[in-house]
Amino acid sequence: AQSVTQLGSHVSVSEGALVLLRCNYSSSVPPYLFWYVQYPNQGLQLLLKYTSAATLVKGINGFEAEFKKSETSFHLTKPSAHMSDAAEYFCAVSVYGGSQGNLIFGKGTKLSVKP
Amino acid sequence: GAGVSQSPSNKVTEKGKDVELRCDPISGHTALYWYRQSLGQGLEFLIYFQGNSAPDKSGLPSDRFSAERTGGSVSTLTIQRTQQEDSAVYLCASSLFRGGNNEQFFGPGTRLTVL
Repeated sequence: AQSVTQLGSHVSVSEGALVLLRCNYSSSVPPYLFWYVQYPNQGLQLLLKYTSAATLVKGINGFEAEFKKSETSFHLTKPSAHMSDAAEYFCAVSVYGGSQGNLIFGKGTKLSVKP
Repeated sequence: GAGVSQSPSNKVTEKGKDVELRCDPISGHTALYWYRQSLGQGLEFLIYFQGNSAPDKSGLPSDRFSAERTGGSVSTLTIQRTQQEDSAVYLCASSLFRGGNNEQFFGPGTRLTVL
């Protein structure tokens, strides 16, 4: 069975500082991994996804994530935080050919950005 | 183009009443998913449709929950005899195909409050 663990339910950074949101996954087969962002009172928006083409994935709004199989990690980073990055971030895993094809989400990490 | 839409955006109901939540997926998307987002539970998968069929309903939390999809398009999630623990945001997503690396596009959700 697949699972996702996001370390830290709440992360606070200063504007201009590095953003690092941690995600570890568990999967017995090669996974597809996703990061979604949710702004208040909105649905989820895809930031980026890993589909085995490249281990370093670049997404929207300056975010990127690196797939590390040896560490079963897919941490999300951004070099310089902006106030508009304040939102909740979800890491998710999907398995190709899975019976459902649904996403399995982590609990989410709420990012706060201080001026 | 139009994204995934859901209605109503907010629903307040009394315990014991039935509610219907609607999802209009992106045109041409064959797969449709329902998730529930509640405090402390994160994002929970409920059910998915491939076309009009829902092969696996095991994610539905109880037999008070049912869903259908007609014409390979609109889906309705019905909750009968609502309970206070049903209060949550219900999110719908659609994708071109089921599973794997296919991006799921999310609607804004329906916030259900059961008094």
